[in-house]
Amino acid sequence: QVTLRESGPALVKPTQTLTLTCTFSGFSLSTSGMCVSWIRQPPGKALEWLALIDWDDDKYYSTSLKTRLTISKDTSKNQVVLTMTNMDPVDTATYYCARMDYGDYPQEGYFDYWGQGTLVTVSS
Amino acid sequence: SYELTQPPSVSVSPGQTASITCSGDKLGDKYACWYQQKPGQSPVLVIYQDSKRPSGIPERFSGSNSGNTATLTISGTQAMDEADYYCQAWDSRHVVFGGGTKLTVL
Repeated sequence: QVTLRESGPALVKPTQTLTLTCTFSGFSLSTSGMCVSWIRQPPGKALEWLALIDWDDDKYYSTSLKTRLTISKDTSKNQVVLTMTNMDPVDTATYYCARMDYGDYPQEGYFDYWGQGTLVTVSS
Repeated sequence: SYELTQPPSVSVSPGQTASITCSGDKLGDKYACWYQQKPGQSPVLVIYQDSKRPSGIPERFSGSNSGNTATLTISGTQAMDEADYYCQAWDSRHVVFGGGTKLTVL
């Protein structure tokens, strides 16, 4: 049974750095083709992809947010961590982590399991 | 950067067929997938690799992808299908989501 759970602060102040942890079970991030990604959704708005890390520690980032994001993994703990610097009120959103198993090529990949999401509010 | 365009809203009567489109440059050369999201819930994968249906997704959900447009089709739409739907594809080293379509069943 695959599960993912996001954790982190519910409230951060502007200019602070956000650190979110995705703790997962039911699969291993050392398995070929396996990935974990972060996606966010501002209230009432669309999904926005942020970053992805794969089994081989290859990292992919949103072009628009690349300078603010860092994604990393701890395979032994079954965790993926996302840091986002210089938080702003427009970053208020529900942040999801999701699993992708892309098989042979990332372009074949899709998110088959999602966490429940964690709401992060940016306010002073 | 690559963009996927969806209509903001689609309406359908119960029992009828709903079609939701997703447009992008040469999207047919990529794989498209679709997610359903109901209020207060996480997205759920309903179609992957253009037309494949995950286990547990009803047969009334189908997909196609050709040229610049991917289409999610819901046959015999039910009230429970009312939700937001998002398309997604890869472009180079980036995951891209469409802006979402609100499906209303009325």
